[in-house]
Amino acid sequence: KAGVTQTPRYLIKTRGQQVTLSCSPISGHRSVSWYQQTPGQGLQFLFEYFSETQRNKGNFPGRFSGRQFSNSRSEMNVSTLELGDSALYLCASSLASILAGVAYEQYFGPGTRLTVT
Amino acid sequence: KNQVEQSPQSLIILEGKNCTLQCNYTVSPFSNLRWYKQDTGRGPVSLTIMTFSENTKSNGRYTATLDADTKQSSLHITASQLSDSASYICVVSPSGSGGSNYKLTFGKGTLLTVNP
Repeated sequence: KAGVTQTPRYLIKTRGQQVTLSCSPISGHRSVSWYQQTPGQGLQFLFEYFSETQRNKGNFPGRFSGRQFSNSRSEMNVSTLELGDSALYLCASSLASILAGVAYEQYFGPGTRLTVT
Repeated sequence: KNQVEQSPQSLIILEGKNCTLQCNYTVSPFSNLRWYKQDTGRGPVSLTIMTFSENTKSNGRYTATLDADTKQSSLHITASQLSDSASYICVVSPSGSGGSNYKLTFGKGTLLTVNP
């Protein structure tokens, strides 16, 4: 089975621009979660999508948004980029929502390294 | 506020030695606790998942323990190898059905370096 794939792997943007990141989950997985990882804050939960619905959202401003398509692929968008948005953005997939009360295994992609200049 | 604290922040050991990493959490009510290994520049890989009823779970040379009463977990690595050099992250899931605290809480990780 192919793993979780993320595109692009590396991205350089300037302040004020917007960016869209893509995530393809493992075949059959319906839940996709997005995370931001920085050296200072570690991994932080952005949001989770399950069956095309946002199930939960972390403490990030509205500039961060996402969506999930009927084939479970997901995109994350960040508008009006700030220098502080420079980070590794990780997505992870699982069979069902990881917040369903059942300990579903979660598989991470390699991440997209975003640099904002 | 739900929190996960990991210690030590970093650790250097010699190849072949054992080590133990700690994770303390305040997440309540608690559903499950996960340990991940993250190599530099790559996504995390799951090592173990434990529910509140499990005390110990092993994955090869990795053994995780959980004390739900004291809200503490540890990850023990036996006979370390150079490939164990990585960041180890503890993640706690709440139980329940919603609310602003209903999300995964991540520790900041322990950076382990195994030297030859």
